[in-house]
Amino acid sequence: TQLLEQSPQFLSIQEGENLTVYCNSSSVFSSLQWYRQEPGEGPVLLVTVVTGGEVKKLKRLTFQFGDARKDSSLHITAAQPGDTGLYLCAGENAGNMLTFGGGTRLMVKP
Amino acid sequence: KAGVTQTPRYLIKTRGQQVTLSCSPISGHRSVSWYQQTPGQGLQFLFEYFSETQRNKGNFPGRFSGRQFSNSRSEMNVSTLELGDSALYLCASSIQGAAYNEQFFGPGTRLTVL
Repeated sequence: TQLLEQSPQFLSIQEGENLTVYCNSSSVFSSLQWYRQEPGEGPVLLVTVVTGGEVKKLKRLTFQFGDARKDSSLHITAAQPGDTGLYLCAGENAGNMLTFGGGTRLMVKP
Repeated sequence: KAGVTQTPRYLIKTRGQQVTLSCSPISGHRSVSWYQQTPGQGLQFLFEYFSETQRNKGNFPGRFSGRQFSNSRSEMNVSTLELGDSALYLCASSIQGAAYNEQFFGPGTRLTVL
């Protein structure tokens, strides 16, 4: 069974602060996806990283895939209240099945 | 293009009853997956359907079943409901043949079992 561990589980910060969320596994993934989920809604895909060492940037969000394709991180610069939500990472294995991490619940206070 | 739709959005049932949830994927998406989300266990994969066939299955008891119709719409059924089945049930569709299995989720059905 492939497991993805996310840390921290909960994060409460002030507007303007930076933060990093981690997603770790002992398994190798063919791709790693990040989703954000708001209350009452389903997760929404933010990004897919596929190459070891890859870095992708979406405005204030920076995603990195580990060199060995076993881990990933999400860094948010100057967090805003609109960034509040549940952040989920999901690893895709060779059989195209996704394993989701437990999630990081982020609250950004104004 | 319309997103994934799920009906109903909320459902209250009692133990021992059965329930059927419905999902309509994004037009052109032929793969539909179902997930169960709970605070304790997170997002767990139930099963995936493609071309009316179950292609993958998660580690859930046989009380959980599903099917897919020729128009790619899918239903999942839970029989003999237990209190622990209370959860948000999410449906997601994806494009067959895409390089990566990127999931497009619906808003979910919140099931409460009393």
